[in-house]
Formats: sequence, C-alpha cells, structure tokens
Amino acid sequence: KAGVTQTPRYLIKTRGQQVTLSCSPISGHRSVSWYQQTPGQGLQFLFEYFSETQRNKGNFPGRFSGRQFSNSRSEMNVSTLELGDSALYLCASSLVRQGPEAFFGQGTRLTVV
Amino acid sequence: DAKTTQPNSMESNEEEPVHLPCNHSTISGTDYIHWYRQLPSQGPEYVIHGLTSNVNNRMASLAIAEDRKSSTLILHRATLRDAAVYYCILRAHNYGQNFVFGPGTRLSVLP
Repeated sequence: KAGVTQTPRYLIKTRGQQVTLSCSPISGHRSVSWYQQTPGQGLQFLFEYFSETQRNKGNFPGRFSGRQFSNSRSEMNVSTLELGDSALYLCASSLVRQGPEAFFGQGTRLTVV
Repeated sequence: DAKTTQPNSMESNEEEPVHLPCNHSTISGTDYIHWYRQLPSQGPEYVIHGLTSNVNNRMASLAIAEDRKSSTLILHRATLRDAAVYYCILRAHNYGQNFVFGPGTRLSVLP
C-alpha cells in the first residue's frame, strides 16, 4: 500500500511569509502527527490530530497550526516565518492514536531566507 | 517521558552482527521500549518495540534486561543499507503520548 505522502518536498520562503504543508496518511490511518527536525534541536513533536481534532500539542508558538480533514489528510501552517523555522517537517501516521508503529513520510524541507 | 542514553556513534563491518545499546535506568512499569531508525534523507522508520520480553521481527531483535533498565537492538547481519541514526525511545502506551526523540546512535557500516 502507498506510504505517507508529504507535499511539497522542498520549499523556499521569505521571512514574514506563511506556508502550508500537506500530509496524506496511509489509507485507513486516522492519527497524524507532525514533527520538526533541525540539526540543533533534533526531532521535536509539533502536534497530533485524530478524527479531525488536535489531541496533543508540543511546545511551539501559536504561529504553528494545523488541521485534519475528514479523509484524515492533514495540513500544517506556519505564519510569519522566521529564519529559525528552516527545518525538515515530518508527518507520521498510525492506525490508532499515537500507535506503537508510526509511519513517517519523507518530509518537507523548508528553507526560510 | 523517561530519558534514554545511547552512544553517539558506532561502527560495524558489513555482514557482522551489530549490538546497539540503550540505557533507561528511570523506566517506569508502563513504558514500552521503541526503536526507530532514520536513513539519510528519509523520515524515521519503525524497527521494533517491546515491554518486558525479548522481541524478534524480520528487521531486528530487541533484548531487554531483566530489570528493564537497559536494552539492546540487535541487527543480525549488518548491510550497507543499515547505516542510519538509531533512536531508542520510551513511551507509555496510553493514548496521547508522542514520541520523544533523543540524538540517537549514528551507525556506520563498513564494506
């Protein structure tokens, strides 16, 4: 079956702009989590969505937001981009909420200039 | 979330077994031990998880100490494709617990 699909794979934005990233989970998976990966901080949890509701949120400012649609696809949005938002954004899906086996996408590489 | 300690890096020769250690002395009774790995330019990939007993799957084996304060991920025959960062993560299996990734162990496999 198809894996987790993240689009776009690469993105370059200017400071102050906003960006939307998309994640399509594995068919049948209802839980979607987002992570940010940077060389300095490593992999950090952003938020988790299940049944179109945000269930858990990491320690990130309100500029980071997301949503999940009825087909379980998820989007995350970052407003007023800062240079420090440059990172690899990873989406993970699992069959149940925060299941033991999470399937990660290849990520979206965001560069803020 | 309880913390884990892993070596920063390890090296192995191709086709030899690899034992990746993880210390988790503050593990609680409900914490499961998960292993993920991240190949270059890829997202993390599930490897294995367990609670108390040793576990085997097609990718690896997980050996858990009797007191559960440490565990070892065993790759039975390393290939070049196994070169990755390996993360040992503790997580309670109650809903709402996200994975907390540490720096992991960077495994190099030499031909």
